[in-house]
Amino acid sequence: EVQLVQSGAEVKKPGESLKISCKGSGYRFSSYWIGWVRQMPGKGLEWMGIIYPDDSDTRYSPSFQGQLTISADKSLSTVYLQWSSLKASDTAMYYCARHMGTMTVDYWGQGTRVIVSS
Amino acid sequence: SYELIQPPSVSVSPGQTANITCSGDRLGDKYACWYQQKPGQSPVLVIYQDNKRPSGIPERFSGSNSGNTATLTISGTQAMDEADYYCQAWDSSIVVFGGGTKLTVL
Repeated sequence: EVQLVQSGAEVKKPGESLKISCKGSGYRFSSYWIGWVRQMPGKGLEWMGIIYPDDSDTRYSPSFQGQLTISADKSLSTVYLQWSSLKASDTAMYYCARHMGTMTVDYWGQGTRVIVSS
Repeated sequence: SYELIQPPSVSVSPGQTANITCSGDRLGDKYACWYQQKPGQSPVLVIYQDNKRPSGIPERFSGSNSGNTATLTISGTQAMDEADYYCQAWDSSIVVFGGGTKLTVL
């Protein structure tokens, strides 16, 4: 069974750094693109970027380029999303998502809630 | 950058057909897919490659894509179909979501 299990909820202060994770299982982890999707409270889905774990080829949405970093450790079957300096506007639910051909998402993680507040 | 436009809301009576549209420049030249999201849950894929249904998705869900518009059709809509629906396409190596449509089953 394909599963994407994300790390737990986080509460941080503005300016702090954060790294959240998404661990895949039940399939050949290195062979599928894994991406991150943001959902701000009461808002829609926003695609942030993707990584191909086998070679760490990474693509970012222009809206998020330079704001965060996506990385992968294929030996741990885990993809990461990290910020060096959080803002209150980063408060959101973050989903990891396995992308299949034509970049359709066929599996989603359970979401990681991030709250940034002073 | 590429944009996908959806109506914010659609209402339908139980048993009737709901059509949710998604518009984008030459969208018909790309593959469109659709996700359903219920409150407090992760999204679920309901249509991919314009008109294919993943395993486990009821036959009442169907899709089409031509010209500048993709359409998700729910035939014989049930109360359990009330949710937010998002279209998605892929352009120049970037994935784009539509803004989402809240489907209300009255």
